[in-house]
Amino acid sequence: DIQMTQSPSTLSASVGDRVTITCRASQSISRWLAWYQQKPGKAPKLLIYKASSLESGVPSRFSGSGSGTEFTLTISSLQPDDFATYYCQNYDLYPLTFGGGTKVEIK
Amino acid sequence: EVQLVESGGRLVQPGGSLRLSCAASGFTFTDFALGWVRQASVKGLEWVSSINLSGDRTYYADSVKGRFTISRDDSKNTLYLQMDSLRAEDTAVYYCARGGRGAIVYFDYWGQGLLVSVSS
Repeated sequence: DIQMTQSPSTLSASVGDRVTITCRASQSISRWLAWYQQKPGKAPKLLIYKASSLESGVPSRFSGSGSGTEFTLTISSLQPDDFATYYCQNYDLYPLTFGGGTKVEIK
Repeated sequence: EVQLVESGGRLVQPGGSLRLSCAASGFTFTDFALGWVRQASVKGLEWVSSINLSGDRTYYADSVKGRFTISRDDSKNTLYLQMDSLRAEDTAVYYCARGGRGAIVYFDYWGQGLLVSVSS
């Protein structure tokens, strides 16, 4: 199985900060990576697919990059609505696997 | 508007069975793969199972293989998850989610989730 490792697990930041979350795959997954945002008590929301494609309706302050085994999700200017937990997901091979999550907290 | 509405969650004893349903609307059901993802309390996301758009290919996490069965009824626009031989570690919120047109997918729409509790 492909292991997905996210870092950091928790991130404290202020409104307006540039935030970067890293996701590493245990083997190459080309660009078959998605990013989700989840708020407490809510379903995950798709942000990015195919490593860097922005889902329709998602603000342009979110961006994704990377290929192979290393990927990043960047929020260019953190907004109050962005405090949440973020997950990456491999969809190169079954079983589909998620990273452990990165909680973005208010500093 | 795409909607996925899960039903069927409840408290069940270890070794018991449960069938989850997910009613879909707002899109052409037969054009998309579908899946189930679960989340144990204060834990991360765990993919459970997926089914392709034609319903002839199914995929399972090792943790549920041989105990859970995914299926779809295209006439009812409904996805199912038959859960047998339930264990305490199956306790989680279960989400139904829409995949893409490929065999291996990410999920672009999710249901609201429903709680399955396995306890004596």
